[in-house]
Parts: sequence; C-alpha cells; structure tokens
Amino acid sequence: KQEVTQIPAALSVPEGENLVLNCSFTDSAIYNLQWFRQDPGKGLTSLLLIQSSQREQTSGRLNASLDKSSGRSTLYIAASQPGDSATYLCALPPQETSGSRLTFGEGTQLTVNP
Amino acid sequence: NAGVTQTPKFQVLKTGQSMTLQCAQDMNHEYMSWYRQDPGMGLRLIHYSVGAGITDQGEVPNGYNVSRSTTEDFPLRLLSAAPSQTSVYFCASAFTGNTGELFFGEGSRLTVL
Repeated sequence: KQEVTQIPAALSVPEGENLVLNCSFTDSAIYNLQWFRQDPGKGLTSLLLIQSSQREQTSGRLNASLDKSSGRSTLYIAASQPGDSATYLCALPPQETSGSRLTFGEGTQLTVNP
Repeated sequence: NAGVTQTPKFQVLKTGQSMTLQCAQDMNHEYMSWYRQDPGMGLRLIHYSVGAGITDQGEVPNGYNVSRSTTEDFPLRLLSAAPSQTSVYFCASAFTGNTGELFFGEGSRLTVL
C-alpha cells in the first residue's frame, strides 16, 4: 500500500522568503503526483500535476519536482506572500494506474508572515 | 461553470438518522469520488465511480452507500449515522483518461451527536 509523508507538518516564514515543501512516497511505481492547496474551511485546489515521465512542472512562483527513484517530490515556492498561507498536500495514485483514487499526505500548514 | 457542487455545507444529525450528501459536477467528468477529512488522519477515500452505473469501494467504505445513475451526480448515503462519521466530506471529480487532475467541491461538514 502506498504511503505518503509530508515534512514538515507546519512551517512559518517571513514574507519574501523562498521555501521548499517535501513529499515522500513508499512505492516508486507511480503514474503521476499532484500538489494541492487547501484554505481553511475550503476544498482542495489543484496546483500542479507531474506525470511520472516528467521531472518538474512550473506554474508562476511554484515549481514542483519529482524523483521517482528516491520516492520524493518537492514544491518550491519563490518569493512567498501572505496569500500563500494555506495547507499544501501532495497526492498520488496507488500504483501505475490512472484515475482519481489518490492517496494523500497529511499536508504542510504554511504561514507566511507580513 | 460551477465545477463540483456539494450540498448541504453543514448538517447535524442524531445517531441512527439517515441522510444523503449530494454532489454534482458540470464538467462531464467520468470519475467521481468521495473523501472524508479528519484531523490526524488526512483525506481518506470512501467510494469512487469510474462512470455511470459503476461504483467501487475505497479505503473506508463501511457505513456509506453510493450510486451513480448519471454522469453528473454522485450522492453519498449514510444509512444509520454514528458519531464516528463526524467529519468533513469532500466530493471530487476527474476527466476520463489519464490526466488524473482532481477537482474538489468545497466540502460538507457533518456532525453526528
């Protein structure tokens, strides 16, 4: 069974800092990996989707990398802003398959202080 | 484009009562699923569907029923609510095929007394 771990559980940084969030998974035979953002009391919003054949994906100030062999993905946030404060979750399918049966990490709660 | 819509947003039930959480999507997605989110447990898959008429169990299916009579709707039924089902429930959908990108509703907060 795929297990997903996110470290740290919480992170507090000053505005403007570059930061890295980590996601580890136990089974490297993955199809893709997604990063989500969740604001308090809200649903999840998909940020980036990396296919297993890709090494990274970029969207604005966000960059996600994937290293299947080591079972790791990182989400890099450049020039952080208070509006980036949220919980960030990574998720992936259980094996080399497609679809919505994702396994989620417990998330990293990010606070960006003005 | 409304995306994924869940109703109700909040609900309080007494133990033993039944209810249905509604989920509708207007993106013509084949995949639909239900998750529950609990502190310290993260998001756990309850049931999912790969198309109309097809459903399957996820990680924590006990106490919940689903059906998929149309592409748009995927209701989650609690037949006899228990305090252990107090949680926030999320419906999510994705396109047919291999993109896998998941779109979430805003959640339904359920309290069972």
